[in-house]
Amino acid sequence: GAGVSQSPRYKVAKRGQDVALRCDPISGHVSLFWYQQALGQGPEFLTYFQNEAQLDKSGLPSDRFFAERPEGSVSTLKIQRTQQEDSAVYLCASSTRTGYEQYFGPGTRLTVT
Amino acid sequence: AQSVTQPDIHITVSEGASLELRCNYSYGATPYLFWYVQSPGQGLQLLLKYFSGDTLVQGIKGFEAEFKRSQSSFNLRKPSVHWSDAAEYFCAVITGGGNKLTFGTGTQLKVEL
Repeated sequence: GAGVSQSPRYKVAKRGQDVALRCDPISGHVSLFWYQQALGQGPEFLTYFQNEAQLDKSGLPSDRFFAERPEGSVSTLKIQRTQQEDSAVYLCASSTRTGYEQYFGPGTRLTVT
Repeated sequence: AQSVTQPDIHITVSEGASLELRCNYSYGATPYLFWYVQSPGQGLQLLLKYFSGDTLVQGIKGFEAEFKRSQSSFNLRKPSVHWSDAAEYFCAVITGGGNKLTFGTGTQLKVEL
């Protein structure tokens, strides 16, 4: 079946612009995660949803970052007033309710100029 | 806080040689342990996982890993490396009651033909 998909794959934004990154999880997967991967680093947790409920947003670096999953399926990560330090690959992952295995999408590479 | 250490940033091996990638974790109890592989422009693919039971676990693509509680380690091994194994490898843990992954900084594997 189809895996996790993310769009766009690449995004260039001027500093100060708002961006929206989309994640389509595997069908039927209840849990959805967002991670940020800076160049040369491992992914770092941003936020976690179970269905439409955002259960953990402890990793969001500032109030400029906002994530939603209104119908418990597709999720959007929004970054307002982008800064250069927001440049990274943003990875989305999904899993079943009881499973600890997370399946990752290809990521969105955000470059802020 | 829990952490994951991958001491080797880069490793180069010859095709056909054996491979061992090191991973150490810091956590009081036994975490759930994972190894992921990331090829350029790709998302993370799960190689193998350890939750409990037999401390030697087998994964995809001929990889295996051994959990050693006394050393807080979960090293990844492969008896004979193929050129297609060149990629970045990440060790990760889930600890406590949460589902979020904590990743190491990764080991970049280069395979010489």
